[in-house]
Amino acid sequence: AQKITQTQPGMFVQEKEAVTLDCTYDTSDQSYGLFWYKQPSSGEMIFLIYQGSYDEQNATEGRYSLNFQKARKSANLVISASQLGDSAMYFCAMRELAGKSTFGDGTTLTVKP
Amino acid sequence: KAGVTQTPRYLIKTRGQQVTLSCSPISGHRSVSWYQQTPGQGLQFLFEYFSETQRNKGNFPGRFSGRQFSNSRSEMNVSTLELGDSALYLCASSLVGVSGANVLTFGAGSRLTVL
Repeated sequence: AQKITQTQPGMFVQEKEAVTLDCTYDTSDQSYGLFWYKQPSSGEMIFLIYQGSYDEQNATEGRYSLNFQKARKSANLVISASQLGDSAMYFCAMRELAGKSTFGDGTTLTVKP
Repeated sequence: KAGVTQTPRYLIKTRGQQVTLSCSPISGHRSVSWYQQTPGQGLQFLFEYFSETQRNKGNFPGRFSGRQFSNSRSEMNVSTLELGDSALYLCASSLVGVSGANVLTFGAGSRLTVL
């Protein structure tokens, strides 16, 4: 069964600094997708970044990058130049070929001014 | 382009009642999945529908059911509500069901409180 582990329940970062949110996963599938979503206090889940299991290069989307280490089964999210609006809960997720997505427990990020 | 629309946004029910939640996906999205989010259990997968067929199901009791209509709109139903069913129910749609690459677009959620 697929499993996503986020070991950091809460993280703090100073405004304008970079932060890494950890994510490890477990799957027996060869083809899968890894995602990060942001959930502000309003509750809506917002897609941030995607990495395919066969992608050799790390994905980047603006200030977000995904540090993908397939052999270690890790997919860490790096946020550069943190902003106050980045304060939210962040979820790592894996989507298998058949369509089911599994989410981690989330990391609450607080950006300090 | 309209996003994923969930109704109602908030509702309060009492134990033993039943509830129906609705989800209208983004136009063109044929896959709809449902998730339950609670502080204690995190985000739990309920089920996924693609072209009116349930393709995946999570580990929830039979009181939780769903369906998808020909226009891809989906409903989920919870019967005989329990206090533990109080949660934020999130619906997400995606373009094509069978692929690991499809991004989920979420609705704002339906917050259910069971008294």
